[in-house]
Amino acid sequence: GQNIDQPTEMTATEGAIVQINCTYQTSGFNGLFWYQQHAGEAPTFLSYNVLDGLEEKGRFSSFLSRSKGYSYLLLKELQMKDSASYLCAVRGSTLGRLYFGRGTQLTVWP
Amino acid sequence: DTEVTQTPKHLVMGMTNKKSLKCEQHMGHRAMYWYKQKAKKPPELMFVYSYEKLSINESVPSRFSPECPNSSLLNLHLHALQPEDSALYLCASRPTQGNQPQHFGDGTRLSIL
Repeated sequence: GQNIDQPTEMTATEGAIVQINCTYQTSGFNGLFWYQQHAGEAPTFLSYNVLDGLEEKGRFSSFLSRSKGYSYLLLKELQMKDSASYLCAVRGSTLGRLYFGRGTQLTVWP
Repeated sequence: DTEVTQTPKHLVMGMTNKKSLKCEQHMGHRAMYWYKQKAKKPPELMFVYSYEKLSINESVPSRFSPECPNSSLLNLHLHALQPEDSALYLCASRPTQGNQPQHFGDGTRLSIL
């Protein structure tokens, strides 16, 4: 089976840095993806890792350790608009299907 | 704006109605997906099409019937739905090769009366 675990909720202050962790145990692995989803909207792609290490994209960075089954999404200089659900998803071996974690609801306070 | 277009954005239907959801993309993606998402839950995979052929059906009830008439279009035909089928229905697509992410449409918010 597939098991992807991430915290349910996190809070942070505007301008701060927050790290959202994701651990996974899956039968196949072809990359780990992070999506942002605002309430009632579609998930939007943020970042992905297929090899170990850090990928940086502006205020967002994502890290992967395949040997530990672990990833994190780092958000810097938080803004109010970053309040959203952040979905960790592992791509399996079959037809690019994604296995999603339950999502982490991030609330950014002023 | 997303490059995957879903219509309608909202749909209210009775349990005896027949309706269809439509998804369109012109990015040349040959893998297309239907997901169902309930509030505060992650998307749940329903169907996967690869090169216009149904490749994965996640044991979805037959009241949901997918169709892929060409490489740009994906439909989801609905018939005799239940109140618990009320959800956000998301379509996604991606190229079949490489590590490209899935691109999601804005979804159809479906309510069953």
